[in-house]
Amino acid sequence: QQQVKQSPQSLIVQKGGIPIINCAYENTAFDYFPWYQQFPGKGPALLIAIRPDVSEKKEGRFTISFNKSAKQFSLHIMDSQPGDSATYFCAARFYNQGGKLIFGQGTELSVKP
Amino acid sequence: EAEVAQSPRYKITEKSQAVAFWCDPISGHATLYWYRQILGQGPELLVQFQDESVVDDSQLPKDRFSAERLKGVDSTLKIQPAELGDSAMYLCASSLAVEQFFGPGTRLTVL
Repeated sequence: QQQVKQSPQSLIVQKGGIPIINCAYENTAFDYFPWYQQFPGKGPALLIAIRPDVSEKKEGRFTISFNKSAKQFSLHIMDSQPGDSATYFCAARFYNQGGKLIFGQGTELSVKP
Repeated sequence: EAEVAQSPRYKITEKSQAVAFWCDPISGHATLYWYRQILGQGPELLVQFQDESVVDDSQLPKDRFSAERLKGVDSTLKIQPAELGDSAMYLCASSLAVEQFFGPGTRLTVL
């Protein structure tokens, strides 16, 4: 059972475009929703995170939008650059299972020059 | 900047051999996690430690996998015997509060 569903699987945008990656969840026991960026052969790096009592969070060119009633959240990358080409994972944290993270399947983003 | 250290970075082994991975979390981080990431998928938790105690090992294949964190600092994950399906990236993460920080991982190839 996939508890966090992520889409699209892959995404190609032109430099300067705004890629949007979407995630959906079912379990209401999640209390924290981070996004990770992973380059080939490297470990995931924490990018930005949000709590469910906030509808939007912005850090630099990265923005999370959160819709608690729809159980959906998304990552927007403003003014995307070729260096943003990586795989992005959304995740959700169980508040009652020791802080266990459940990850989405990942989105491979390619930003063309 | 403090980082999670892992070694080795790459490991190639034959089926039925034993392998071990080591992780040194960020100093002061009481919680340590081992994840497995199959190519093209998100990481999946294998085991979680709080200090030296196991908090969650529900997804750890205990017939062949073992993990320990004897002094509550660094940790070792062992596989014995390794199987072809164990080929994956093994990631260690640590946390002080909510945020989890990952190491570079160990890429395991089982031949």
